[in-house]
Amino acid sequence: EVQLVQSGAEVKNPGESLKISCEASGYIFTNYWIGWVRQMPGKGLEWMGIIYPGDSDTRYSPSFQGQVTISADKSINTAYLQWSSLKASDTAMYYCVRLMTSVTPLDYWGQGTLVTVSS
Amino acid sequence: SYELTQPLSVSVALGQTARITCGGNSIGGKNVHWYQQKPGQAPVLVIYTENNRPSGIPERFSGSNSGNTATLTISRAQAGDEADYYCQVWDSSTAGGVFGGGTKLTVL
Repeated sequence: EVQLVQSGAEVKNPGESLKISCEASGYIFTNYWIGWVRQMPGKGLEWMGIIYPGDSDTRYSPSFQGQVTISADKSINTAYLQWSSLKASDTAMYYCVRLMTSVTPLDYWGQGTLVTVSS
Repeated sequence: SYELTQPLSVSVALGQTARITCGGNSIGGKNVHWYQQKPGQAPVLVIYTENNRPSGIPERFSGSNSGNTATLTISRAQAGDEADYYCQVWDSSTAGGVFGGGTKLTVL
């Protein structure tokens, strides 16, 4: 059974760093892309970027380029999303997703990680 | 960058047919996917590549795509179909995915 299990909710102060994770199981991790999707409170879905764990090829949405870093550790089947300096506007639910190629659907979703940034 | 336009809300009477549109420039030439999100839950894929259903999705859900509009059709709407629905495509110009703004479906 394919599963994407994300790390737990986080509460951070502005300016702090953060790294959230997405552990994959039930399939060959290096054969699929992993993406990240943001959903701000009461808002829609936003594409952040994707990584191919097989060779670490990473592509960011222009809106998120330079704002976050996506990485993966194929030795432990885990993808990451990190911030070096959080802002209040980063408060959102973050989902990791699986996709096979660029034109294929996001066929599996993690349960989401709620990040709250507040002083 | 590529933009997708969805109506903010659609209402349908119980047992009737709901149609949710997703507009985009020549979207008929793209692979369109649809996701259902119920309150407090992660989105779930309901239709992919125009009119394919993942395992476990009822046949009541179908899709079509032509010209500048893709449509998600939900036949015999049930109370359990109330949710937000999002369309999604791949934007080759940015090498990234794009989501529509989402449509809230209300079953009356």
